[in-house]
Order: sequence, then structure tokens, then C-alpha cells
Amino acid sequence: KNEVEQSPQNLTAQEGEFITINCSYSVGISALHWLQQHPGGGIVSLFMLSSGKKKHGRLIATINIQEKHSSLHITASHPRDSAVYICAPNFGNEKLTFGTGTRLTIIP
Amino acid sequence: DTAVSQTPKYLVTQMGNDKSIKCEQNLGHDTMYWYKQDSKKFLKIMFSYNNKELIINETVPNRFSPKSPDKAHLNLHINSLELGDSAVYFCASSQNRGGEKLFFGSGTQLSVL
Repeated sequence: KNEVEQSPQNLTAQEGEFITINCSYSVGISALHWLQQHPGGGIVSLFMLSSGKKKHGRLIATINIQEKHSSLHITASHPRDSAVYICAPNFGNEKLTFGTGTRLTIIP
Repeated sequence: DTAVSQTPKYLVTQMGNDKSIKCEQNLGHDTMYWYKQDSKKFLKIMFSYNNKELIINETVPNRFSPKSPDKAHLNLHINSLELGDSAVYFCASSQNRGGEKLFFGSGTQLSVL
């Protein structure tokens, strides 16, 4: 069964802290997406990765295919990073399966 | 100059009505999608089209009918609206069906009264 688990569900941190959001999945995948949903509701694709690590600004995404695990890191977090972060593995059936999301709040 | 635009942003209607949501992308992408986000904020695929051809049709009631007149447009028509159809509907596109990066529209919040 294709399952996705994200942790934590909610995360509150002080501005400047290093943030880690985790995503585990049950079976092999072809790729994994990280999405950001802003408080206003809009969704932005942050990363798509199938191996290793990708970096964009203060955001870093890593994936370990053997351990079926991916992490999203935010360095020097800022209140504007407050959003819901969603991981979405592609289990090779052309459909993304979405995690339940991690609600991140960064306090100034 | 929005990449993926969907209209309307808000849709409030009575049970039993028929309504449509329109989506257009100007990115030259081959693949378009409709996703539903329920009240618990859980996202789920509804449909996917590639070059006007239906490739994914999840277990969605047949009251929902997607229409793709060309590869830049994917509209969603919903017949006989029910209370449970209330949700946010997102259109998205990707370069092709190979699991590429997704570009989302801003969402349509549908409220059925």
C-alpha cells in the first residue's frame, strides 16, 4: 500500500532556527515532491528529487531512497517561511500521493 | 501574466446546481491536473490530461466531468452539486507526464449550500 507519513504535524520555532521536516513513505518511488502552501492558500512546488540533495536559497531537500525517507531543511528561518509544507511521493503510477502536511510557524 | 490561472476564485452555489471551473496555462505544458483539497487540507488527484487525452481518472463521481478543448485548457464541470463537494479545487500543470515539477493555479473555493 502506498503510504506517506510526515512529521511533525505542527512546528513552531523562533526566527533564525534551523528547521527540519521529515517524510517517510512505504514503498519504492520514482520521485518525491516538496510543496509549500501559503497561509493564503496558494501552492508552490519547492523541489522535485529522485536522489541525493537539492538546494535553493535557504531551503535544502534530501532523499534517502534505501531508507524511504526525505527531509526538508530551512536554514535561518524567517516568519515569511510560515506555511504548510507537503511532501508528495510519486509511486510510479503517475499519481502523486500527498502527505498530510506540516504546519510551520516562525515567531519573530 | 499568471502561468496557471483558474476562475472563479470563489464559487458559492446551491445544492443541485451545475457549475464549471476553468483553468488555463500559458507555459506550453503537455499535462494538466485537477486536485481537490478537502476541509482537512488533504490534497488528492482527481484527473490528469496529457495533450487533451485523459490519463488519470480517480474514483471521482461521474457528476464531475473534465473537458480539455486544447492542451492549454482543462475545465471542470460539476453536475448536481452536493454539500460534500465543498472544497478547494486546484488546477496544475507540468511539462509532461513524467512526474516533472508542478505549477499550481491559485485554487477555487467551492461552497455548496
